Amino acid sequence: QKEVEQNSGPLSVPEGAIASLNCTYSDRGSQSFFWYRQYSGKSPELIMFIYSNGDKEDGRFTAQLNKASQYVSLLIRDSQPSDSATYLCAVRGTGGFKTIFGAGTRLFVKA
Amino acid sequence: EADIYQTPRYLVIGTGKKITLECSQTMGHDKMYWYQQDPGMELHLIHYSYGVNSTEKGDLSSESTVSRIRTEHFPLTLESARPSHTSQYLCASARGEDQPQHFGDGTRLSIL
Repeated sequence: QKEVEQNSGPLSVPEGAIASLNCTYSDRGSQSFFWYRQYSGKSPELIMFIYSNGDKEDGRFTAQLNKASQYVSLLIRDSQPSDSATYLCAVRGTGGFKTIFGAGTRLFVKA
Repeated sequence: EADIYQTPRYLVIGTGKKITLECSQTMGHDKMYWYQQDPGMELHLIHYSYGVNSTEKGDLSSESTVSRIRTEHFPLTLESARPSHTSQYLCASARGEDQPQHFGDGTRLSIL
């Protein structure tokens, strides 16, 4: 089992729809959770971070964390073609200094 | 916007050469990281630094070295480049280990 798992996709949604990206993690003691967006050939850029159970909203983005079920999700409302990218889930676990990155979910937003 | 810079952006070089990839940040962050990422694949930690003169090896560190003489500077050195080193190398920094990491634009390295 990978420490951070994401569906590789691609996830395809029409423009204006809600895109839902999911991530599960294995370290039950994890406390810090991050979502990054990575365009092809570019470096990751931070979208959201969340530390507490529940929802955190920032513009069109909502991060949801459920520590009991060990999953974190990212919702993108009113999806735009410019949202087409790979979304990386990252989790700071309890074992040392590492933040573990998932392999990412590719999102396509169709115009 | 994060102020973290990597040079060169692209490098094509022959086997056996010594290579140094540069990374500098102006945010005063203590934590700095080097990752390797192949196309479509996940990031793998190569090296980590938690402050001046303090570094740790990551998962893929056996063929490279780092130094942290100044807070803002974290260069990565490959002593003898091989074709297997062909990849994208990403540098990141963070205020703390539980804080978001900010990435540079990366160095795309090709070893012939």
